[in-house]
Amino acid sequence: KQEVTQIPAALSVPEGENLVLNCSFTDSAIYNLQWFRQDPGKGLTSLLLIQSSQREQTSGRLNASLDKSSGRSTLYIAASQPGDSATYLCAVGNTGGFKTIFGAGTRLFVKA
Amino acid sequence: GAGVSQSPSNKVTEKGKDVELRCDPISGHTALYWYRQSLGQGLEFLIYFQGNSAPDKSGLPSDRFSAERTGGSVSTLTIQRTQQEDSAVYLCASSLVLGGEHGYTFGSGTRLTVV
Repeated sequence: KQEVTQIPAALSVPEGENLVLNCSFTDSAIYNLQWFRQDPGKGLTSLLLIQSSQREQTSGRLNASLDKSSGRSTLYIAASQPGDSATYLCAVGNTGGFKTIFGAGTRLFVKA
Repeated sequence: GAGVSQSPSNKVTEKGKDVELRCDPISGHTALYWYRQSLGQGLEFLIYFQGNSAPDKSGLPSDRFSAERTGGSVSTLTIQRTQQEDSAVYLCASSLVLGGEHGYTFGSGTRLTVV
């Protein structure tokens, strides 16, 4: 059974700092991995999607990496801003992808 | 539509009543998924649809939960005889094809409160 763990559960950093959020999964037979952000009371916004054949994806200040063999993904946020404050969720799509398993998230707070 | 639309955005209901939650996926997306997010918990997968078909209903928490999708578009999640533990945010997502090869798009959710 696939299990997805995100560390840390919460993180508070000063504005401008670079930071890394971690996601680990127990079953390496994944289809894809997606990072989302969730603002309080809102739905999920897709940030980056990495297919199982890919090693990383980049969008603006965000970079996500995937290492299937070790069961890890990282989300790197460069030059953090207060607007980055949100909960970041890692979601792993198992083969077939229809039972995407989510981590519990990392709650990020960027202080101005 | 431009995004995944869910209605209502908020629903307060009395224990024992039935509720219907609606999801309108992105036009042309063949796959649709329902998740539940309880307070302080991660997302719990409930059910998916490929077209109008839901091959696996094992994720539904109890037989009080049912879901249908008609015309390959709108889906409704019905909870009968609601209980307080049903209180959660119910999120719907859609993808172009099953498996989310191009990613998933989520709606804003329906916050259900059972009192």
